[in-house]
Formats: sequence, structure tokens, C-alpha cells
Amino acid sequence: QKEVEQDPGPLSVPEGAIVSLNCTYSNSAFQYFMWYRQYSRKGPELLMYTYSSGNKEDGRFTAQVDKSSKYISLFIRDSQPSDSATYLCAMSLLNNNDMRFGAGTRLTVKP
Amino acid sequence: DADVTQTPRNRITKTGKRIMLECSQTKGHDRMYWYRQDPGLGLRLIYYSFDVKDINKGEISDGYSVSRQAQAKFSLSLESAIPNQTALYFCATSDPGLGYETQYFGPGTRLLVL
Repeated sequence: QKEVEQDPGPLSVPEGAIVSLNCTYSNSAFQYFMWYRQYSRKGPELLMYTYSSGNKEDGRFTAQVDKSSKYISLFIRDSQPSDSATYLCAMSLLNNNDMRFGAGTRLTVKP
Repeated sequence: DADVTQTPRNRITKTGKRIMLECSQTKGHDRMYWYRQDPGLGLRLIYYSFDVKDINKGEISDGYSVSRQAQAKFSLSLESAIPNQTALYFCATSDPGLGYETQYFGPGTRLLVL
């Protein structure tokens, strides 16, 4: 079993839809939970991070962590064609070192 | 991405050949990383370096070696390339300042081993 499992997608939604991206994990010691966005032929870029449990909001993006269920989510409100990318979840025990990544979900937002 | 550059961007090589991938950064960060990305497996850490004199193995270091020539340069070598090393390779940097330590990724090198 992989340490981090991510819904494989691909996911296609119309512009304006609410998108939900999810990951589960097996290591209860993870403390930092990250979401990266990767455009085609580019490197990943950090979108959001959360320490421990709870919610974090940044504009149209909301990250949720449920440590009791070992489940994290990223919600995108009012999705835009520019949100079309692959979204990678990642998690680590300490601040950033030795991250474990999910396989990524490819999202397409259609105009 | 312009702050972290990788060369070459694409490379085709044959089994058994030695190949070096190079990474340079202008961000002034001490910490540098090498990852590979495979479909269905996500990113996996190969090696990381916290400063010029510090090199550490990551999750999947077998078959790879690295060299930290300077604060700004971190090279990844495949001594004898094999087909299952075909992947997308990323370099990243980070700075252990206050707050969360963000990693900044380069644009990647696409490697095909025949």
C-alpha cells in the first residue's frame, strides 16, 4: 500500500464548478500537509500548506485536514480554465523535509 | 521557475551510458533536492543537500549519485543508465527561514533511456 493515495482522475468540470480533490494517507505521524499545482511542462509550485488538522482558506482555495480519518482535501470554488493543471498532495513529518507525494490528479476546467 | 534552472531539458540516452543532469539556482538557498516523477507514482526524493558539505540519500537513491559543486549548483548522475530510470527529473531548493519551508522547483528534465 502506498503511503499517500490520491484520486487519479482525470477530472473535467465546467467553468464555475466547485472542485474537490482528495488524498488519504497511512502514516499518522505526518504533521505538514501540502497541495502543489503543476502546469504542463512545468515544475510543481506550492499552492497551500496546513500544519496539523483544520481548515485553511486562500481566495478560491480551501485546504482541509482530518487527521482522525487520515484524509485531506482541496476545494476550488468558482473554478477557472486557468486552474487546469495537475494537483499533487504532499505530506511530511517535519517542516518540509522528506515529503511524500500523491500521484497527482489532472484537472481540466472547460470554458 | 527562472530562479531554478535545469539542463538539459530533454535527453535521450542508451542503456549503460553515464549521464549528468545539472541544476543551478539564483535564489541563494542552501538546501537543494533532486526528485523523479513517474506516472502513477508521484514525486520521489532521490538525494538532498543542506549545504555544500552535506549530502543525504532520499527515498530512492540506488543507481544515482550527486555532487554539490557550490551553493548554487547541484548535479545528479546516473553512472550506468537503465530503462527504468526513464522519468521526469526535478531539482528544487528551499531556505529554512521562519515559518514554512517552501520548496521551489525547476522546470524539469525529461530523460528517456533506451
